[in-house]
Amino acid sequence: ETGVTQSPTHLIKTRGQQVTLRCSSQSGHNTVSWYQQALGQGPQFIFQYYREEENGRGNFPPRFSGLQFPNYSSELNVNALELDDSALYLCASTRGGTGGTVGEQYFGPGTRLTVT
Amino acid sequence: GENVEQHPSTLSVQEGDSAVIKCTYSDSASNYFPWYKQELGKGPQLIIDIRSNVGEKKDQRIAVTLNKTAKHFSLHITETQPEDSAVYFCAASRGGSTLGRLYFGRGTQLTVWP
Repeated sequence: ETGVTQSPTHLIKTRGQQVTLRCSSQSGHNTVSWYQQALGQGPQFIFQYYREEENGRGNFPPRFSGLQFPNYSSELNVNALELDDSALYLCASTRGGTGGTVGEQYFGPGTRLTVT
Repeated sequence: GENVEQHPSTLSVQEGDSAVIKCTYSDSASNYFPWYKQELGKGPQLIIDIRSNVGEKKDQRIAVTLNKTAKHFSLHITETQPEDSAVYFCAASRGGSTLGRLYFGRGTQLTVWP
């Protein structure tokens, strides 16, 4: 088990609504990345937060936004939900700022979002 | 951007046999290659990783090899057990400003029959 936690576990929303997902990073980790995993696919990078600022973004529209807090926990917000947003949303934490060396990323259990 | 391809998509082996999963990547700047195991209803679990300055790494029954010239890397599981059954993902990343954005393959469903 990693020290990464996510809430809620499951969520059902209606198209057009907004949703907020939460992630607590592993102790000592200052970087959080969010991924979307559609059924039967590998995770796709949404964005990353390092020291409370967005530090890279994948091919996702602006209605996907995020925050990172001083304790390094993070939120993912999705506005104007679409049916295709139904997926498992994963966060991963790592220790950043190590001279550009990629650190191991540890994933949480995910939030299963269903949009109807 | 990086493109990671993974084969096979499904793999069935008898308990005690070996399993091999192969991945290729396109970005020669990628220098970090982790493997994740994902069980049903859970998040991906890091099982082993390798960096570009190493050709092979082993951890008990699991080993990973990397061929930088050919841009491919492989996961080897020996003496498979039913609890090894899961979906396995390879990924590639590089350092620099984006602190380890991972590009994943599509996954391999490994089934180990007792």
